Amino acid sequence: ETGVTQSPTHLIKTRGQQVTLRCSSQSGHNTVSWYQQALGQGPQFIFQYYREEENGRGNFPPRFSGLQFPNYSSELNVNALELDDSALYLCASSFTGTRNNEQFFGPGTRLTVL
Amino acid sequence: QKEVEQNSGPLSVPEGAIASLNCTYSDRGSQSFFWYRQYSGKSPELIMSIYSNGDKEDGRFTAQLNKASQYVSLLIRDSQPSDSATYLCAVRLSGGYNKLIFGAGTRLAVHP
Repeated sequence: ETGVTQSPTHLIKTRGQQVTLRCSSQSGHNTVSWYQQALGQGPQFIFQYYREEENGRGNFPPRFSGLQFPNYSSELNVNALELDDSALYLCASSFTGTRNNEQFFGPGTRLTVL
Repeated sequence: QKEVEQNSGPLSVPEGAIASLNCTYSDRGSQSFFWYRQYSGKSPELIMSIYSNGDKEDGRFTAQLNKASQYVSLLIRDSQPSDSATYLCAVRLSGGYNKLIFGAGTRLAVHP
């Protein structure tokens, strides 16, 4: 059973640029959630994808967008990067269809915006 | 009022002692509760999930849930220096999709 993978591991961008982060879900899972974790804080929910559609969104502006592909992998896109977007971006994989759908995190992508 | 609250710590315990980590939540309808461990520079790792009132034990870890008091805790018995990490409490809100709300985490330091 393969775990959740994310790429790239680290990324440095400048303000105003655009970035795409990628996530492959755990084998057998069909749902991907994205979280942003600032230093010293708990992860904050960005959005979730299920059946290739956005299935819920947290308090993030529209410049945060995503996709889910037929193989359940997912992308997070952030446009017009701001300094405050510097954070650890976490992808969590789960299976929608059972009551106890635990979420398992990938290793994360550390984004630095200069 | 924050949706999920934890004491930020650090909680310092000697090796071999019991570490007790606490979490309160505001959504009375929440049904699912999780504890994640996060080492510095790493991603969160799920260590316990609990859905019913009472205790759930897994090895050295015991999760306790009291829905009436909106309180969930994690006990770590025989604490080891390798348990030193930040412990995140997460709550799945009632209704809708599988969105987790996290507390800010409690930093645990186990000293030899």
